[in-house]
Amino acid sequence: AQTVTQSQPEMSVQEAETVTLSCTYDTSESDYYLFWYKQPPSRQMILVIRQEAYKQQNATENRFSVNFQKAAKSFSLKISDSQLGDAAMYFCAYRSAGYQLIWGAGTKLIIKP
Amino acid sequence: DAMVIQNPRYQVTQFGKPVTLSCSQTLNHNVMYWYQQKSSQAPKLLFHYYDKDFNNEADTPDNFQSRRPNTSFCFLDIRSPGLGDAAMYLCATSRDAGGPSYEQYFGPGTRLTVT
Repeated sequence: AQTVTQSQPEMSVQEAETVTLSCTYDTSESDYYLFWYKQPPSRQMILVIRQEAYKQQNATENRFSVNFQKAAKSFSLKISDSQLGDAAMYFCAYRSAGYQLIWGAGTKLIIKP
Repeated sequence: DAMVIQNPRYQVTQFGKPVTLSCSQTLNHNVMYWYQQKSSQAPKLLFHYYDKDFNNEADTPDNFQSRRPNTSFCFLDIRSPGLGDAAMYLCATSRDAGGPSYEQYFGPGTRLTVT
């Protein structure tokens, strides 16, 4: 069975600095998708970034980028120039061919002004 | 803007009193999902609809039911809420259930309190 592990329950970063959130996963599939979702306090879950496993190039979305290491089964999220609005729970998720998202336990990101 | 809407945002019910949560979408997506999320935990999938086809997760209690009368609306019914059912309930949609059309769009959630 596939699993997703986020080993950092909580991270903090100074505003304007860079922070990296870790995610590892376990699968025997070769074709799958990986996601980072952001859930701000009392606000809805939104997709931050996604990566298709067959793409070697790391996905980027403005200040958000990933370091996808397929052989190591690692999928970390880098947030550059951290802003107060980045404070949230961040969930890493995996999906293969089906509908089911496999979620990590989440990392709470705190931004220090 | 196209979106996923959940009503109400906050719901208080009594132990054992049936409650219904609603979700609507303007995205015209085929798939609608219901998740339960307890404090600071990852969402847990309860069930989903692919069009009119209902798919229940194996560990979803019988106390939870769902209805999808049309493409736009989906309801979560909790027949006899217990204290352990207090949680945030998230509705999500996706254009398809497999392949590349997989991105899930979430509503703001309904926070259920059971007294």
